[in-house]
Amino acid sequence: DAGVTQSPTHLIKTRGQQVTLRCSPISGHKSVSWYQQVLGQGPQFIFQYYEKEERGRGNFPDRFSARQFPNYSSELNVNALLLGDSALYLCASSLEWVIDEQFFGPGTRLTVL
Amino acid sequence: GQQLNQSPQSMFIQEGEDVSMNCTSSSIFNTWLWYKQEPGEGPVLLIALYKAGELTSNGRLTAQFGITRKDSFLNISASIPSDVGIYFCAGQLAGYGGSQGNLIFGKGTKLSVKP
Repeated sequence: DAGVTQSPTHLIKTRGQQVTLRCSPISGHKSVSWYQQVLGQGPQFIFQYYEKEERGRGNFPDRFSARQFPNYSSELNVNALLLGDSALYLCASSLEWVIDEQFFGPGTRLTVL
Repeated sequence: GQQLNQSPQSMFIQEGEDVSMNCTSSSIFNTWLWYKQEPGEGPVLLIALYKAGELTSNGRLTAQFGITRKDSFLNISASIPSDVGIYFCAGQLAGYGGSQGNLIFGKGTKLSVKP
């Protein structure tokens, strides 16, 4: 079975631009969470979506938004990119919203110049 | 925001040695999780702990949920080269009424194993 997939693998943007990252959860998983991992740090929670509704939001500005589609895939959008948005963006899926069953994808490496 | 203090930051050990790392916080947690992350990959769950005092093993890995619910440790016995990676602790705060997807991660312990 395929694990969590994310696209693109790498992305380079300039300040002020907008970016969309995509995540496909494990088949049958209804919950998707997004995390930001800055180099040398642990992941930081951004959003959780469960059954297409936002169920949790971390301490990130409104420039960050996300949505979940009927097939449970998800997109993370970041507007007005700043240099500090450079990070590995991780998507995790779970069958329900139980933490221990959360599986992470390989991430999208975003570089903002 | 809430923080987990994970130590040590890095470890350089000889193959066959035992490893110990821990996480502490000033806050109380309901759940402690330990993950391993290798280059180019997302974190992989190693052990999950749900009760204060709980001691759980997964092969050569053993983790404990501290009695005070403010700390946890992970031990790796008889380390091997494939243990190399970054180990993260993560926890969910007690009394948090929101999403159960909201985990707070430590900064990680980078483990290097010399054959």
